Amino acid sequence: KAGVTQTPRYLIKTRGQQVTLSCSPISGHRSVSWYQQTPGQGLQFLFEYFSETQRNKGNFPGRFSGRQFSNSRSEMNVSTLELGDSALYLCASSLAQPEGTQYFGPGTRLLVL
Amino acid sequence: GIQVEQSPPDLILQEGANSTLRCNFSDSVNNLQWFHQNPWGQLINLFYIPSGTKQNGRLSATTVATERYSLLYISSSQTTDSGVYFCAPPGETSGSRLTFGEGTQLTVNP
Repeated sequence: KAGVTQTPRYLIKTRGQQVTLSCSPISGHRSVSWYQQTPGQGLQFLFEYFSETQRNKGNFPGRFSGRQFSNSRSEMNVSTLELGDSALYLCASSLAQPEGTQYFGPGTRLLVL
Repeated sequence: GIQVEQSPPDLILQEGANSTLRCNFSDSVNNLQWFHQNPWGQLINLFYIPSGTKQNGRLSATTVATERYSLLYISSSQTTDSGVYFCAPPGETSGSRLTFGEGTQLTVNP
């Protein structure tokens, strides 16, 4: 089975722009979670989607949003980018929730200039 | 929410040495995962271990949920074991929201 895939892998944007990141879960997995990793804050949970519904949300401003499609693929969007949004964004999928093992993709490195 | 403490924060070993990494958590949990983050940033699953002991090759893990800690053992370390090791129990609201500690940075020298 193919693992979790994320596109793009690297991205450079400027302040004020918006960005959309994509995540394709492992085939058959219906839950997708997003995390942000920065040197200062570590790994932090953004949100989780299950069957196209946001089921859980972390403490991030409304500029961070996401959605999930009927094929379980997920996108996250960050509007009005700030320098502090520079981070590694990781997506994870799992087969069953809430106790299923989560499998992570390779991540998208976002640099905001 | 749940607090996670990992120790040691940094560990330097010679190839072939053994090590134990510890993860303490502040509340009872019903699942916990260990991950290895490679130099390219990807989190690799090591164990899903809510309780008891599991082994996978040179790695093994033990979680004592009643005492709120988990241990990761690495035996006969190799340079490819280098990276950051994270434990991640769920947050308080559901198992889907993993809470990460600051990790243990492991460096294995040849």
